[in-house]
Amino acid sequence: EIVLTQSPGTLSLSPGERATLSCRASQSISSPFLAWYQQKPGQAPRLLIYGASSRATGIPDRFSGSGSGTDFTLSISRLEPEDFAVYYCQQFARSPGTFGQGTKVEIK
Amino acid sequence: QLQLQESGPGLVKPSETLSLTCTVSGGSISGSTHFWGWIRQPPGKGLECIGNIYNSGTTYYNPSLKSRVTISVDTSKNQFSLKLSSVTASDTAIYYCARQAPGGYIYYWGQGTLVTVSS
Repeated sequence: EIVLTQSPGTLSLSPGERATLSCRASQSISSPFLAWYQQKPGQAPRLLIYGASSRATGIPDRFSGSGSGTDFTLSISRLEPEDFAVYYCQQFARSPGTFGQGTKVEIK
Repeated sequence: QLQLQESGPGLVKPSETLSLTCTVSGGSISGSTHFWGWIRQPPGKGLECIGNIYNSGTTYYNPSLKSRVTISVDTSKNQFSLKLSSVTASDTAIYYCARQAPGGYIYYWGQGTLVTVSS
């Protein structure tokens, strides 16, 4: 099983600041099989990024994904109030896939 | 617009079998190139892939749950189902059904249904 480790566990930032979230895989993943999600309380996760760097439909361009192999990054260029949430990475190199444990982005 | 809706008991007794159904509307399960999957989330915790089914028959299960999980499809009803046997309190979670693209990412999620395991 491929284990995804996200860091940090919690990120305390102010609106307007840049957020950088990390996702590290226990073995190399082909980029098409890495995705990022945002989840707010009481809601299902929402797809942000697929294929490591492609934004999903309707996702603002302040969200960007990068990385390859075992190290992937989700960046939010300028945090808006609605961006404070929990973020998960997911791999599908081996079905059914696995999720990271999540990074909570909270208001400082 | 594709929609998925979970249904099933919200309370299951320990040692019994949890059974959920996902009804798909706005698209057909039959002949789809997508995976139809189940993900769960214990209260206050992270997401866990349970398994999925592809091409109306090929299944992939989380190794930690494999001995207790069965996912199946009923194309006549445009539904797919989850059965999880011998449940314990640790199986208490919100259960989501989802459609996974061939690349594995999930655009479409059900709203989720809370299943509590308790006597």
